[in-house]
Amino acid sequence: TQLLEQSPQFLSIQEGENLTVYCNSSSVFSSLQWYRQEPGEGPVLLVTVVTGGEVKKLKRLTFQFGDARKDSSLHITAAQPGDTGLYLCAGVREVRGSRLTFGEGTQLTVNP
Amino acid sequence: GAVVSQHPSRVICKSGTSVKIECRSLDFQATTMFWYRQFPKKSLMLMATSNEGSKATYEQGVEKDKFLINHASLTLSTLTVTSAHPEDSSFYICSARSPGMNTEAFFGQGTRLTVV
Repeated sequence: TQLLEQSPQFLSIQEGENLTVYCNSSSVFSSLQWYRQEPGEGPVLLVTVVTGGEVKKLKRLTFQFGDARKDSSLHITAAQPGDTGLYLCAGVREVRGSRLTFGEGTQLTVNP
Repeated sequence: GAVVSQHPSRVICKSGTSVKIECRSLDFQATTMFWYRQFPKKSLMLMATSNEGSKATYEQGVEKDKFLINHASLTLSTLTVTSAHPEDSSFYICSARSPGMNTEAFFGQGTRLTVV
């Protein structure tokens, strides 16, 4: 059983469309991170959310942490081809200490 | 942000040989480093947690005698794939975190290992 359920796993959209990626768990996380990874490179941190209900914006990206700190979402407005990549959510569980637990990832393709 | 450097970025080796991958934290001291393995278009799978000056903690199913981890200093951890076989071909990524940092970890660029 995957601790962090990320959906959808694959998403192919046209430039200009909006999209949302979800990251859900039955466990509580002390913090949750979103990463973006391009082929042949390591993940790059986009944002960290730590407070239940927290919303953070990074240009066209909006990140939200659930009130109960069990889920998170990433919303991209007016997607561009440069947004193409693998998006990963990862959380730090309060019980397990500081290890990161990763979701399965969402492979996003934005077509021009 | 913190910089983690991984070397080499790509390596091709023959079956039966050993390959060493280095992970360095360039501007901070990393008491803990993590080694991951990643298959194409899949998420990261944690292999082991490396603590400076002590033995690494391996995840279930990861052979510690095959994937040797050494964390001899606060800025360097190494992963050695011993007696490599084609099924060991993969993308290996390290990350580093220090006690003074937030919970996020910073990742290296990854190493593409191909065993022929």
